[in-house]
Amino acid sequence: EVQLVESGGGLVQSGGSLRLSCAASGFTLSDYWMSWVRQAPGKGLEWVANIKQDGSERYYVDSVKGRLTISRDNARNLVYLQMNSLRAEDTAVYHCVRAWQFDLWGRGTLVTVSS
Amino acid sequence: QSVLTQPPSASGTPGQRVTISCSGSSSNIGSITVNWYQHVPGTAPKLLINDDNRRPSGVPDRFSGSRSGTSASLAISALQSEDEADYYCAAWHDSLNGYVFGTGTKVTV
Repeated sequence: EVQLVESGGGLVQSGGSLRLSCAASGFTLSDYWMSWVRQAPGKGLEWVANIKQDGSERYYVDSVKGRLTISRDNARNLVYLQMNSLRAEDTAVYHCVRAWQFDLWGRGTLVTVSS
Repeated sequence: QSVLTQPPSASGTPGQRVTISCSGSSSNIGSITVNWYQHVPGTAPKLLINDDNRRPSGVPDRFSGSRSGTSASLAISALQSEDEADYYCAAWHDSLNGYVFGTGTKVTV
């Protein structure tokens, strides 16, 4: 089955760190750009970061630059989001997304940052 | 703050036609195709329309999309109860090297 499954979310204090993982299955991960998209409580969808197939290019929304880092391990079919210096405004459900047309989404993992 | 503006809500009775607008600028909708997503809270968002008006396999033909100038729209031709969800337009934004989503429209049936 073609799917993305996120894990690693949880409750963390402001200034803390967390690493999210995304397990891809049913397709060749190395063929696709991948992204993370988040949705804060009561808010809309917000693109967070992109990574190229071989990891050589990465792009971020301004609000997370220098704090969140996207990476990937194609051999293990995994995409990561390392989250440092977390803030209350980072509280959201984080979705892993296949970035060709953003055509495949995971259900997401909830990150809650307490102040 | 999103650069793509949608109405916050839309509603209709079963069988009615509902249209959702998405307003952007020359740097996004005006120069690149638009996708639409359906999101039932608690589930994975679903690609509904890509490249302005193409339906991925499995999407009912009552969903259609269009784009003109710096605006795009999604139409649901015969509303059904299972269409109750949040709908988002989205487009690639070259200067961000990222994706921008619309503000979202909650459809109530």
